[in-house]
Amino acid sequence: DAGVIQSPRHEVTEMGQEVTLRCKPISGHNSLFWYRQTMMRGLELLIYFNNNVPIDDSGMPEDRFSAKMPNASFSTLKIQPSEPRDSAVYFCASSPSWGFQPQHFGDGTRLSIL
Amino acid sequence: SQQGEEDPQALSIQEGENATMNCSYKTSINNLQWYRQNSGRGLVHLILIRSNEREKHSGRLRVTLDTSKKSSSLLITASRAADTASYFCAPGESEKLVFGKGTKLTVNP
Repeated sequence: DAGVIQSPRHEVTEMGQEVTLRCKPISGHNSLFWYRQTMMRGLELLIYFNNNVPIDDSGMPEDRFSAKMPNASFSTLKIQPSEPRDSAVYFCASSPSWGFQPQHFGDGTRLSIL
Repeated sequence: SQQGEEDPQALSIQEGENATMNCSYKTSINNLQWYRQNSGRGLVHLILIRSNEREKHSGRLRVTLDTSKKSSSLLITASRAADTASYFCAPGESEKLVFGKGTKLTVNP
């Protein structure tokens, strides 16, 4: 089975531009998580969904960040407008059911905002 | 949700040696998970130990859990250069996992 698929793998853009990161979870997984990883702050949970519904978005840093999950096989994380401090690796993960299940991570999107 | 704290922050050993990493947490948990992250890759789940278990094995990995001390350890036996990675623990109270800074393990050939 294919794992969690993220696109693009790398994104370089100028500040002020809109950035859209995409994630396809593992088929049949009900929970989806978005993380951000930086050297300074480590791995931070931004938002997670269960059955396509956002459950906890308390980690979303600002209103510039938004996430959607229109169906069970696709999610997006959008940053508008982007700023240099948003530069990080963004990971998407999915898990098979609600509660206490291992999470399966994609290989991330390395985002650089100039 | 609580964050686990891994110790040491960095560990360097020779191939064939054992590597031990520790994790501490603050409040009661349902389970504790360990993950590995190779450079440039996403995290990979290694093992999940439930609060009513004391020890669990998976191949060369051995995980212990002491709920009275609120701590866990991950032992990698007969380490290989391919074990070079960062290792994270995640105390599980809910679906939401909070990761610490991890232990960076380097296995020298």
